[in-house]
Amino acid sequence: QSALTQPPSVSGSPGQSVTISCTGTSSDVGSYTRVSWYQQPPGTAPKLIIYEVSNRPSGVPDRFSGSKSGNTASLTISGLQAEDEADYYCSSYTSSSTYVFGTGTKVTVL
Amino acid sequence: QVTLRESGPALVKPTQTLTLTCTFSGFSLSTSGMCVSWIRQPPGKALEWLALIDWDDDKYYSTSLKTRLTISKDTSKKQVVLTMTNMDPVDTATYYCARITHPSYSGRDDFDYWGQGTLVTVSS
Repeated sequence: QSALTQPPSVSGSPGQSVTISCTGTSSDVGSYTRVSWYQQPPGTAPKLIIYEVSNRPSGVPDRFSGSKSGNTASLTISGLQAEDEADYYCSSYTSSSTYVFGTGTKVTVL
Repeated sequence: QVTLRESGPALVKPTQTLTLTCTFSGFSLSTSGMCVSWIRQPPGKALEWLALIDWDDDKYYSTSLKTRLTISKDTSKKQVVLTMTNMDPVDTATYYCARITHPSYSGRDDFDYWGQGTLVTVSS
């Protein structure tokens, strides 16, 4: 099972919007709504920020939003803030009854 | 409140077997729909899913590592154990355990609670 493909890095100024793509195949992202996103600041454990493609857990700011089209899922951070600087990972369930993570994207706030 | 904590050796030698324990609280692995997974992250690299065990003792493994992995649970102790055989320096990573609930019961399928991770270094 190959990792889902994410851009290595994205950046934006405070207040701007950035979007991170997560490209898989018809055996994972394309076939399921079981796509989630995780935020990982340096030296910390990942934290769930989006589940089932576009749902936010309680306590996650609404500037984080998710979507999916075909084999590609996306995470958008609107109104970028300094505290959003972190690594972000997508994850999907697969047709092999396993899970796969993305390659990770570093978000830099300029 | 849900918490998970990983424990195990910080250093193992090549060819040795690694045994990691995940001790959790705030939920029971005997409750329908509850599952625990192991995930690892080499230094500076991406997350990699390893294995999952569910409330019914069904087990699922990474396709690429399944010959080396064994996951088990002790429901009464609230622990999940992962063993990985034939350790190699490329297995150096922070190993996390995380809770996941089966979508048939929760309507969702994500790693909602994580432990803080334990760094395992493989070196002679």
